[in-house]
Amino acid sequence: GENVEQHPSTLSVQEGDSAVIKCTYSDSASNYFPWYKQELGKGPQLIIDIRSNVGEKKDQRIAVTLNKTAKHFSLHITETQPEDSAVYFCAASKGGTSYGKLTFGQGTILTVHP
Amino acid sequence: EAQVTQNPRYLITVTGKKLTVTCSQNMNHEYMSWYRQDPGLGLRQIYYSMNVEVTDKGDVPEGYKVSRKEKRNFPLILESPSPNQTSLYFCASSILQGAGAFFGQGTRLTVV
Repeated sequence: GENVEQHPSTLSVQEGDSAVIKCTYSDSASNYFPWYKQELGKGPQLIIDIRSNVGEKKDQRIAVTLNKTAKHFSLHITETQPEDSAVYFCAASKGGTSYGKLTFGQGTILTVHP
Repeated sequence: EAQVTQNPRYLITVTGKKLTVTCSQNMNHEYMSWYRQDPGLGLRQIYYSMNVEVTDKGDVPEGYKVSRKEKRNFPLILESPSPNQTSLYFCASSILQGAGAFFGQGTRLTVV
């Protein structure tokens, strides 16, 4: 089955800096890659996703890049703010009529210091 | 408001005492699933359901049961809880399996 590895497990940055979280996946058939943000005491929330027919997607301060050849994808957060502090999860699944099961990475605890 | 509602949010129980965690979604989603979250292990799928009366095992199903009698509800049942089931549990729903999922607020379960 699919295996998703996520790094780093913890990330500490100063407000205004950029943060990058990386994930690798094992199944070359995977073609849907969502990212979730989990704030303290809440459930994960989808923040951005990318499909394998594009290499990059941006939404304001966040962006995701995908390298299908290397089987890795990354989340980039620019101009970080304290409210970006949370646990971030990457995930991968196969496309098609049923999309296939989501497999999650281990999570990254991001701390943004004011 | 689109949401997935889990109850209870917190639960402390004793080994062997049957319990049920409820999950309800108001988005008419066909796909629902249960995950457990443990430090360093991310989110692991316990069970999932493709539609009413259609359920199947995820990656860590041992010790759990589910049912899907109605489209909106997907309860998680622990027939005989053990301490290794102490965890944070999330219910999720989506239009399709593997599509962007909506998660509930979580249920923190402690089995002593």
